[in-house]
Amino acid sequence: DQQVKQNSPSLSVQEGRISILNCDYTNSMFDYFLWYKKYPAEGPTFLISISSIKDKNEDGRFTVFLNKSAKHLSLHIVPSQPGDSAVYFCAASANYGQNFVFGPGTRLSVLP
Amino acid sequence: GAVVSQHPSWVICKSGTSVKIECRSLDFQATTMFWYRQFPKQSLMLMATSNEGSKATYEQGVEKDKFLINHASLTLSTLTVTSAHPEDSSFYICSASLRQGYEQYFGPGTRLTVT
Repeated sequence: DQQVKQNSPSLSVQEGRISILNCDYTNSMFDYFLWYKKYPAEGPTFLISISSIKDKNEDGRFTVFLNKSAKHLSLHIVPSQPGDSAVYFCAASANYGQNFVFGPGTRLSVLP
Repeated sequence: GAVVSQHPSWVICKSGTSVKIECRSLDFQATTMFWYRQFPKQSLMLMATSNEGSKATYEQGVEKDKFLINHASLTLSTLTVTSAHPEDSSFYICSASLRQGYEQYFGPGTRLTVT
């Protein structure tokens, strides 16, 4: 049973518009969440994190929203750029930073 | 930012041989390092967690005798794939955690091909 789900395997967005990537989780013990970006044949790159005591965290063009009651988080990228085209992984941890569980990823394509 | 390196970046080996992959944190001390495996078009799968100076904790279904992990220092962890088989061909990625931080910083990955 997948504890972290990213139900959209792919997403296409026009350059300059907003990209919204969604992530759902089932384990109510998760208290720390991260988003990673991954290019082919490279390791993931950390983007942004959020702990369960917050419902929003912003860093430049990236904003993560957490809805604990719905067990849902989302990553907003605005404005989207062609260089944002990559696979985005949502990851969750039940003990503040150890043993992350990764979602299956969403491939984002930003079209010029 | 924190930098993690892996060596080699790719390796081809014959079936039955062993391969060692190194993971180094270049500018910070990592008490905890993680090893992941990624199959094509699939998510990262945590294989094991290693803490400096102690035995690695393996995830369910990962053979500890096949995937030997050593975390001998605060900046180096190694993964040895013993008696490799073609089904071990995969992309192996390590990550490291800062002492006081929550984020994991990932290495660039190692592509292993077993022929």
